[in-house]
Amino acid sequence: TQLLEQSPQFLSIQEGENLTVYCNSSSVFSSLQWYRQEPGEGPVLLVTVVTGGEVKKLKRLTFQFGDARKDSSLHITAAQPGDTGLYLCAGGEYGNKLVFGAGTILRVKS
Amino acid sequence: GAVVSQHPSRVICKSGTSVKIECRSLDFQATTMFWYRQFPKKSLMLMATSNEGSKATYEQGVEKDKFLINHASLTLSTLTVTSAHPEDSSFYICSVTSGHEQYFGPGTRLTVT
Repeated sequence: TQLLEQSPQFLSIQEGENLTVYCNSSSVFSSLQWYRQEPGEGPVLLVTVVTGGEVKKLKRLTFQFGDARKDSSLHITAAQPGDTGLYLCAGGEYGNKLVFGAGTILRVKS
Repeated sequence: GAVVSQHPSRVICKSGTSVKIECRSLDFQATTMFWYRQFPKKSLMLMATSNEGSKATYEQGVEKDKFLINHASLTLSTLTVTSAHPEDSSFYICSVTSGHEQYFGPGTRLTVT
């Protein structure tokens, strides 16, 4: 089974600051997804990256897939309190299974 | 993406009873659904892969006789927690796949007293 290491586990920042969340693995993934989850709800898909070196932007969020498809990062610019939540990266495995990182709990204080 | 619903959203049951959780794919025919378990402030743990018309595939360490999965149609999978115990209390989430991506239901909070 492939493993996906996600860091940091917790992040508490002030509104307006920037942050980056990392997901790393020694294995190659066919794709990598980022999800955001709020308490008591299911994860919501933010983005899927499939090509090595791919960069996708979603408003203030920038997602990058490593050239070797073993790592990914999520960068948030000028964080807002509404960005607060649990961020999960997940690597695509055979049989459409996903390998999840441990998650990053982000708290943005106003 | 696919729209997924779960029912019930919350359930409280007594130890020793069984609870059924439904997962429905509302706009997508899902031959495969996944069931996850999640503890507070933790990531998702895959329990099993639900396959339409065939037996579910369970992850290592998940008791198939305790967590019964039935995928009788392309839009419905059910998870039955049998003889529930307090340690089964958790947030259970299902998902459907579409290409590379998975779309998740809103989750079911199970509390066993």
